[in-house]
Amino acid sequence: GIQVEQSPPDLILQEGANSTLRCNFSDSVNNLQWFHQNPWGQLINLFYIPSGTKQNGRLSATTVATERYSLLYISSSQTTDSGVYFCAVGSNTNAGKSTFGDGTTLTVKP
Amino acid sequence: KAGVTQTPRYLIKTRGQQVTLSCSPISGHRSVSWYQQTPGQGLQFLFEYFSETQRNKGNFPGRFSGRQFSNSRSEMNVSTLELGDSALYLCASSSTTGNEQFFGPGTRLTVL
Repeated sequence: GIQVEQSPPDLILQEGANSTLRCNFSDSVNNLQWFHQNPWGQLINLFYIPSGTKQNGRLSATTVATERYSLLYISSSQTTDSGVYFCAVGSNTNAGKSTFGDGTTLTVKP
Repeated sequence: KAGVTQTPRYLIKTRGQQVTLSCSPISGHRSVSWYQQTPGQGLQFLFEYFSETQRNKGNFPGRFSGRQFSNSRSEMNVSTLELGDSALYLCASSSTTGNEQFFGPGTRLTVL
């Protein structure tokens, strides 16, 4: 099956700093999502981005499907950005299944 | 539109018991997928249902089963609970035409 690797596993920043999280995947995918998991466990949708670039406020994401990676950018980080960020990928041949990376744990210090 | 709902939110069971978890998808969504999240194994796919049919299944023992009703609500059942079944169980829904998944708040199961 598809392998998903996220890096770095842990990231500690001062408030106001910028960061880049990376997601590499081992095979062609039809969908890719970025999530933020809150302290209560809920996965919050950040981006649905099988290809191209999207922006939402201080967050943006880029997926280069031909090179099998995606990047999540967080600018001017805030303490509320802390948590675990997951990348999840799927293909049309594997109905309803998303394969998740191990996540990046982001800690933003005031 | 209301989001994905899961009940119960927390559950404590003892080894050998069985448990049933419920998931109501976003209105109009017909696909429901279930995942197990543990500290050691991360997020793992259990199974997916679409229009009352299981279309896909992950690598879990037969103690884990599920079903979907005509209103797209889904249940998963775990029989003969083991300590290792303690986990956060998440369900996700997606529409007929789209692949984006939306997750519920999860059910946190503790097996004693």
